[in-house]
Amino acid sequence: ETGVTQTPRHLVMGMTNKKSLKCEQHLGHNAMYWYKQSAKKPLELMFVYSLEERVENNSVPSRFSPECPNSSHLFLHLHTLQPEDSALYLCASSLTPADTEAFFGQGTRLTVV
Amino acid sequence: GQQVMQIPQYQHVQEGEDFTTYCNSSTTLSNIQWYKQRPGGHPVFLIQLVKSGEVKKQKRLTFQFGEAKKNSSLHITATQTTDVGTYFCAGRGSARQLTFGSGTQLTVLP
Repeated sequence: ETGVTQTPRHLVMGMTNKKSLKCEQHLGHNAMYWYKQSAKKPLELMFVYSLEERVENNSVPSRFSPECPNSSHLFLHLHTLQPEDSALYLCASSLTPADTEAFFGQGTRLTVV
Repeated sequence: GQQVMQIPQYQHVQEGEDFTTYCNSSTTLSNIQWYKQRPGGHPVFLIQLVKSGEVKKQKRLTFQFGEAKKNSSLHITATQTTDVGTYFCAGRGSARQLTFGSGTQLTVLP
């Protein structure tokens, strides 16, 4: 248990569905992240939030929409996804956006059908 | 952009043998982190190296940061079945973004 909780753990959705992934941390961290982990590829950083403000957006398609309502919660809203978006989506948090270790949640295994 | 290459991609060892994974960055890093991900699990932080030429040890694990701060290695002495998993390096460059290597998947045969 790392202190970073992600829900749901597994999600199967159709290409026309809208769903949201949730991440929650009560570690007092100021930075939160979304990563995508696909088979045989490096962890891909998608979004970085620092003190609820988005500081990084790594050319992620608009069908992924993040939301950070406060420093403890992070959402990833999904709509009209493609089968190639199937992956493990990992949330992480750290004390600051730089120079500190990241604590990862257990991930949401997403399958797009 | 910054690239972090990690080799080998896969490594099978007999229990008791040593294991090493190598990480190389295309740019100079301000620091490098190492993570371990067990099968079906999530990445867990192991260590961070900051100084040029730094060497840190955690029991049977030895971590090194190169003099030029562009490469790093993780060496495990006398592997055990509990060492099974994927080991990732993650380098932080001038843009402050953490870039992960592709990982080395370690299998330890009993």
